[in-house]
Amino acid sequence: EPEVTQTPSHQVTQMGQEVILRCVPISNHLYFYWYRQILGQKVEFLVSFYNNEISEKSEIFDDQFSVERPDGSNFTLKIRSTKLEDSAMYFCASSDPSGGRDTQYFGPGTRLTVL
Amino acid sequence: EDKVVQSPLSLVVHEGDTVTLNCSYEVTNFRSLLWYKQEKKAPTFLFMLTSSGIEKKSGRLSSILDKKELFSILNITATQTGDSAVYLCAVVRGTSYGKLTFGQGTILTVHP
Repeated sequence: EPEVTQTPSHQVTQMGQEVILRCVPISNHLYFYWYRQILGQKVEFLVSFYNNEISEKSEIFDDQFSVERPDGSNFTLKIRSTKLEDSAMYFCASSDPSGGRDTQYFGPGTRLTVL
Repeated sequence: EDKVVQSPLSLVVHEGDTVTLNCSYEVTNFRSLLWYKQEKKAPTFLFMLTSSGIEKKSGRLSSILDKKELFSILNITATQTGDSAVYLCAVVRGTSYGKLTFGQGTILTVHP
């Protein structure tokens, strides 16, 4: 069964460093998302992306964050200058029009630890 | 701001029991409500509900939506230890490009 994959599974970085989290959405999906979950808290929406453009973003998704679909398979989240409070689990998700845009399938996540 | 509240926050049962998880919401221009199961990491899709009163069923799991009273329930019958997980409810507003707003989840523990 097709699934969303994410790499790396765990990333440790120093405060102020740039990180890139990578995702390979399900191959025929057209809508892509990033969410994060700080330990013990709710899953929070960051951004949605369609047709090479950001469709919607949350207040969390400030200028430090960017997303890109550099080729036909990868979808990345870049954090330019990480802060301690960026430590969280980051989930990528994707959906397709035939299954309904809202039915999102999540990857296993990347745990980001900022020291 | 959209709001999703789940209850109970945690539940401990024994195998074979039936459980009912609740999700109430406040959202402008409601479009859909989704249930996910989160075990160790990724939320796994269970159901999407858009219409009131139509039960969705998958094996021992079922869910229904009440758009008048603004809530949904997720039922699990004949629980098994493998059902132990966090169950998440999320809503989408009609003007959204797919933003899921999640509740805090219900932690279900099923003892043998």
